[in-house]
Amino acid sequence: GENVEQHPSTLSVQEGDSAVIKCTYSDSASNYFPWYKQELGKGPQLIIDIRSNVGEKKDQRIAVTLNKTAKHFSLHITETQPEDSAVYFCAATWNDMRFGAGTRLTVKP
Amino acid sequence: GAVVSQHPSRVICKSGTSVKIECRSLDFQATTMFWYRQFPKQSLMLMATSNEGSKATYEQGVEKDKFLINHASLTLSTLTVTSAHPEDSSFYICSAEQREGETQYFGPGTRLLVL
Repeated sequence: GENVEQHPSTLSVQEGDSAVIKCTYSDSASNYFPWYKQELGKGPQLIIDIRSNVGEKKDQRIAVTLNKTAKHFSLHITETQPEDSAVYFCAATWNDMRFGAGTRLTVKP
Repeated sequence: GAVVSQHPSRVICKSGTSVKIECRSLDFQATTMFWYRQFPKQSLMLMATSNEGSKATYEQGVEKDKFLINHASLTLSTLTVTSAHPEDSSFYICSAEQREGETQYFGPGTRLLVL
C-alpha cells in the first residue's frame, strides 16, 4: 500500500518568513495530492491540492509543487502569519488516501 | 460548498455504554464516507470506508462489531461505538467524497471520553 512520509515534524518560523513542508510517497500510481490544515480540536480543512498532470499550483500565499519522477511534493507558504500556525497534513491518493504524519507549524509574531 | 457536519462535537459516556456519532454532507451527495480516529499529536488513522447501501470496509485491526457503521443515505453515515471502554476515548473524524478519488471533505470531529 501507499506510504507517505512528511518532514519536518515541527517547524517554527518568524512571521513574514516562508515555510516549506515536504512529503514523499511510495506508490507511483498515486495521482492526487491534497494538503490539509488542522487547527486544535477541529477537523482537517483542505487548503490546496494538486493532480499528477500538474507540476505546480498556487493560491495566494500557498503553493504546492509535485515531482512525479522523484515521488515527492511540497507545500510552500509565503509571508507567514500567526494564524497559519496549525498542523499540516499531506496525503497521496490512488485507491485510498494515505496521510503523512503531520507537521506542526508555529509562526512567531 | 462541500460542508460536512458531525454530531455530537463531544460526548462523555460511562464504560459499557454505546455512543452514536453522525456524519452528514450538507450540500453534496457523498458516494463514499470515511471514518478516522486520531490520537493526540498523531496523524489520522483510517478506520473504515462506507458506501451508501452497502457494508463498510474496515481497515485491518479495526473491530467491525465494536465500531458499527451505517451509511443509510448519500448524505448520512453513522458510527456507533458499542460497549465503549476508556481505551476508545479519542477524536473521531469523518470525511466524505462526492466522487471516487476526488477530494475528501472532513467534518469537525467528535471528541469521545469514556469514563
